Amino acid sequence: GQQLNQSPQSMFIQEGEDVSMNCTSSSIFNTWLWYKQEPGEGPVLLIALYKAGELTSNGRLTAQFGITRKDSFLNISASIPSDVGIYFCAGSKDRNSGYALNFGKGTSLLVTP
Amino acid sequence: EAGVAQSPRYKIIEKRQSVAFWCNPISGHATLYWYQQILGQGPKLLIQFQNNGVVDDSQLPKDRFSAERLKGVDSTLKIQPAKLEDSAVYLCASSSRGGGTTDTQYFGPGTRLTVL
Repeated sequence: GQQLNQSPQSMFIQEGEDVSMNCTSSSIFNTWLWYKQEPGEGPVLLIALYKAGELTSNGRLTAQFGITRKDSFLNISASIPSDVGIYFCAGSKDRNSGYALNFGKGTSLLVTP
Repeated sequence: EAGVAQSPRYKIIEKRQSVAFWCNPISGHATLYWYQQILGQGPKLLIQFQNNGVVDDSQLPKDRFSAERLKGVDSTLKIQPAKLEDSAVYLCASSSRGGGTTDTQYFGPGTRLTVL
C-alpha cells in the first residue's frame, strides 16, 4: 500500500493547548480520513474529507483536505485529558484500488491536566 | 446498534501453530475488511469482502493466511502456520455499502496475537 507520512510521531502537551498534526503522501488521494485509536480498541472515525480544499469541523476538531490532494492536517483546539490516544490519517484512492484505506503510522498524543 | 464483534480478544501461540479469528460485522453491512496492525504502525488492509466475494486480497500473504465469508455475514481469518512476525492486532471492520470512498468503515476492538 501507499506510504503516508504522518507527523509529529508524538506530542506531549498541557490541557488547554491547541494541537496540530499533519499527513503527506507522494501520490494523490480522493478521500482523507482522520481516526482516533485508544488502547485496546479499534480506530474510530473523527472526520472525513472528500474534496480538495475542504475544511471540516467536528466540535473542537478541524481538518483540511490539501489542495494538491497529497496532504491533510488535523487541529484540536483547547485539548482535554480525554483527547489522549493515537491519531491516524488514512487515504483512499478510487474504485480501481478497491477503495482500500492506507494508514499513516499515527501521532501519539498525551495531555497532562 | 451493536458494533463489530471480534473474538478472541487475545491469543498466544507458538510459531508454526495455527490460529483463527472470528468477526461478526454490524448487521446489514455488505462490506467486511480484515486489517493487520503491527505495534507502532497504522492498520494495513489484508482482505476486503463485499457480501461473500473477495474485492481486494492483494496484501494477504496467501501462503499462510486465508479468509472466508461464506454466507456474506460473519468471517474467519486463519493463519497456518504462524510466524513470529505475525504478532500484531488483527482488526475487522465493516461498512454498509459497496466500500466506496464515502462509505464509513467501523472497526471492531481487534484480536491481539502474540507468536512465541
